[in-house]
Amino acid sequence: GAGVSQSPSNKVTEKGKDVELRCDPISGHTALYWYRQSLGQGLEFLIYFQGNSAPDKSGLPSDRFSAERTGGSVSTLTIQRTQQEDSAVYLCASTRTGPVEKLFFGSGTQLSVL
Amino acid sequence: QKEVEQNSGPLSVPEGAIASLNCTYSDRGSQSFFWYRQYSGKSPELIMFIYSNGDKEDGRFTAQLNKASQYVSLLIRDSQPSDSATYLCAVRGTGGFKTIFGAGTRLFVKA
Repeated sequence: GAGVSQSPSNKVTEKGKDVELRCDPISGHTALYWYRQSLGQGLEFLIYFQGNSAPDKSGLPSDRFSAERTGGSVSTLTIQRTQQEDSAVYLCASTRTGPVEKLFFGSGTQLSVL
Repeated sequence: QKEVEQNSGPLSVPEGAIASLNCTYSDRGSQSFFWYRQYSGKSPELIMFIYSNGDKEDGRFTAQLNKASQYVSLLIRDSQPSDSATYLCAVRGTGGFKTIFGAGTRLFVKA
């Protein structure tokens, strides 16, 4: 595709429900990142994929968060039993692997947990 | 200590002035350094990257890197109101080679 595509763009859910966020990276980009950005804050690293494997999951806030990537392409971030503090913009970025990784970001998913 | 630190600002400069944005990082083995610009309500976009000590210029932007001091900066010459945004410093470290962002500096350029 022309750019990184994320869906849905907005998600409103009730506390305790599960949500799935999707990221479709730029074709040919082997590396994929998930970040979280709360209002007025910087980007919090969540997880990094190289191909289908996740060498670094250190940023996932709790075991309610999980992510997978299939076929070296689409990735899904799942949040189980959502809490109000999960409300944020979830950003996905992709890049070619190399010594200088230039990240291309999607438009993000605004998650609101009521 | 945070891995990447920036002054949150806001930094306010008059139109036409030089804006200077600073960033320090904790991983001494870090190899590549980036500046992203984020307009309000939008996603970050890459504006500069640098991996060698010294200066790198691109138009009105100059990135400066000092690995000994673990310091990277961004200078914006002839600042314009359209430069008003949050500037995020990002570092690709040796811990899993992931890219980590600072909290960002808000820049206001007054017309």
